[in-house]
Amino acid sequence: DAKTTQPPSMDCAEGRAANLPCNHSTISGNEYVYWYRQIHSQGPQYIIHGLKNNETNEMASLIITEDRKSSTLILPHATLRDTAVYYCIVPTGNQFYFGTGTSLTVIP
Amino acid sequence: DTAVSQTPKYLVTQMGNDKSIKCEQNLGHDTMYWYKQDSKKFLKIMFSYNNKELIINETVPNRFSPKSPDKAHLNLHINSLELGDSAVYFCASSRGTGAYEKLFFGSGTQLSVL
Repeated sequence: DAKTTQPPSMDCAEGRAANLPCNHSTISGNEYVYWYRQIHSQGPQYIIHGLKNNETNEMASLIITEDRKSSTLILPHATLRDTAVYYCIVPTGNQFYFGTGTSLTVIP
Repeated sequence: DTAVSQTPKYLVTQMGNDKSIKCEQNLGHDTMYWYKQDSKKFLKIMFSYNNKELIINETVPNRFSPKSPDKAHLNLHINSLELGDSAVYFCASSRGTGAYEKLFFGSGTQLSVL
């Protein structure tokens, strides 16, 4: 079962930063936080993952709180192509349980 | 080249038929998966293979039988198809089985059982 909770939907204006929150209050010390997204009619796509430190790559930034009970995915300049369902996942072993995610709509 | 490719993209069939979905990855990964996404968009793991050996088998009817002829291929055979089997099936692969491994997904096979 998914060990994360996310808001079901969010809107973001094109060109602005999209901040997607995730709660994972039962995360244990050695468990990673992963983010994937699924654009309509496509397979899920890996975005970023982290353990303790904040992470940044060409797609997004991941901010993990010090107690690791929550995290935020940041898309710094959202575009219309970022409209998708975003999944925050704490895998158990190699089992990735996808919850309901956050449906992000980027508005022109 | 597509990293994880699955065929067919669409599959429409009658109840009771037997059908197969094929998946191939050219990433050199050791681990492959089948996921099912139902009409409510929940994405659930069905099976996982590591080096051709079954390592995850979630509660899936035994009408579903995965077959891995080599570590680059993981096919899904479904016997006696039922209406409830209608869904999008995604194949995925990862380098290994650790919690730090990224999953790479195929584009999905939309199965419609009439």
